[in-house]
Amino acid sequence: QQPVQSPQAVILREGEDAVINCSSSKALYSVHWYRQKHGEAPVFLMILLKGGEQKGHEKISASFNEKKQQSSLYLTASQLSYSGTYFCGTELRRDDKIIFGKGTRLHILP
Amino acid sequence: GAVVSQHPSRVICKSGTSVKIECRSLDFQATTMFWYRQFPKQSLMLMATSNEGSKATYEQGVEKDKFLINHASLTLSTLTVTSAHPEDSSFYICSARTGQETQYFGPGTRLLVL
Repeated sequence: QQPVQSPQAVILREGEDAVINCSSSKALYSVHWYRQKHGEAPVFLMILLKGGEQKGHEKISASFNEKKQQSSLYLTASQLSYSGTYFCGTELRRDDKIIFGKGTRLHILP
Repeated sequence: GAVVSQHPSRVICKSGTSVKIECRSLDFQATTMFWYRQFPKQSLMLMATSNEGSKATYEQGVEKDKFLINHASLTLSTLTVTSAHPEDSSFYICSARTGQETQYFGPGTRLLVL
C-alpha cells in the first residue's frame, strides 16, 4: 500500500525549516527518502530501519517512529539546492520492493 | 554511492514499434533491479522486480507481454516496450539494489511514442 506523504507542497524562503511526513497503515521494515529534481532521477538521501532510529547529515535528518509507522524528514536552514520533490518509500520486509508515496514538492525562494 | 546507468536517455519512436531500454549497475553487482514508470508530476510507480536469472515479478495491472524484462547478468537488466503506443509515453527509471539495503536509481529514459 502506498504511504501517505504530507504536505503535498511547501514554499519556503531560504534559511527556513521544513518537515515532511510519511505514514503507513502497515508495519514497516524500513523507510527510504529520496529527492528528485525536475527531469532527473531520484537521489538517495537516507534509509531508516525499524527500531526508531534517527539519522541525518548536517541539515537534513529523519526519524522513524515504529509504533506509529511514521517517518519525518527535517530540513533545517533550507538552501536553494534543497528545492525538488521529496519521496518517501516504504518496505514491509527486508529486501522487499519499495513503494513510494506521491511526493512532496518543496520550493525554496531566495 | 553506487552508479546505475540507463540507455538511451531519450527515445522517440513511431506507434507500433518496440523499444529496448538498458539498465546497468556500473560498480556493483545487483541481484535485484526494479523498473518504474513516472508520469509528469506523479509518483514513481513500480512496474516489476527483476532478479538475475529468473523471471520478473510484475505488479498488478502491468502487462508482462507488453513490457518484457530480461535480467541476464548481475549488472544488466533490459526493459522492452513492445508495440508501443502513445499512452506508453513516459519516464522509465530503473533502480538496482546493493547489499546495503537501499536502491540506487538510473538517470531515466524519456520515451515519446508518436
